[in-house]
Amino acid sequence: KAGVTQTPRYLIKTRGQQVTLSCSPISGHRSVSWYQQTPGQGLQFLFEYFSETQRNKGNFPGRFSGRQFSNSRSEMNVSTLELGDSALYLCASSLSRGTGELFFGEGSRLTVL
Amino acid sequence: DQQVKQNSPSLSVQEGRISILNCDYTNSMFDYFLWYKKYPAEGPTFLISISSIKDKNEDGRFTVFLNKSAKHLSLHIVPSQPGDSAVYFCAASASNYQLIWGAGTKLIIKP
Repeated sequence: KAGVTQTPRYLIKTRGQQVTLSCSPISGHRSVSWYQQTPGQGLQFLFEYFSETQRNKGNFPGRFSGRQFSNSRSEMNVSTLELGDSALYLCASSLSRGTGELFFGEGSRLTVL
Repeated sequence: DQQVKQNSPSLSVQEGRISILNCDYTNSMFDYFLWYKKYPAEGPTFLISISSIKDKNEDGRFTVFLNKSAKHLSLHIVPSQPGDSAVYFCAASASNYQLIWGAGTKLIIKP
């Protein structure tokens, strides 16, 4: 069974640009969560989607947005990029909400210059 | 406000000995706790979990202990193996299903 797939794996952008990251969950998984990981900060929760609806949102500015499609695939977008947005963005899927066990992709490494 | 804290950024343990990773939390509403392991350039992988109705859960070499009164949980790895070298994250959730994560502890197993 294929795992969680994130694209692109690496990307470099400049300040002020915008970026869209994509996540394909494990087949049959309906819940998708996004996290930002920076050195020494652990995983910071961005948002959670279930059945195309945002169910939870972390403490990030409105420049960070996301959506989920009917096939459970999800995208997140960051507009007006700042240097501090450089991070590893991880997507995780699970069968349903509250199961606890998340399956993570390998992440998208974003560098903002 | 860090609701889940892993106070040791790193831990070095001799191969074959016990590794103990600690995690403290502040929110008494947390009722489910998980440990994840992360290798470089990979996403975290689920290791073991514990519900607040238990105080211990064991899976092979891995045991998680929960002390609700102290708001503390620990992960024991016995015996430690070189492949256990990774970053370990503690996470907790309440009824809203949102997982709150610690900053991680880097475990180094020395041969």
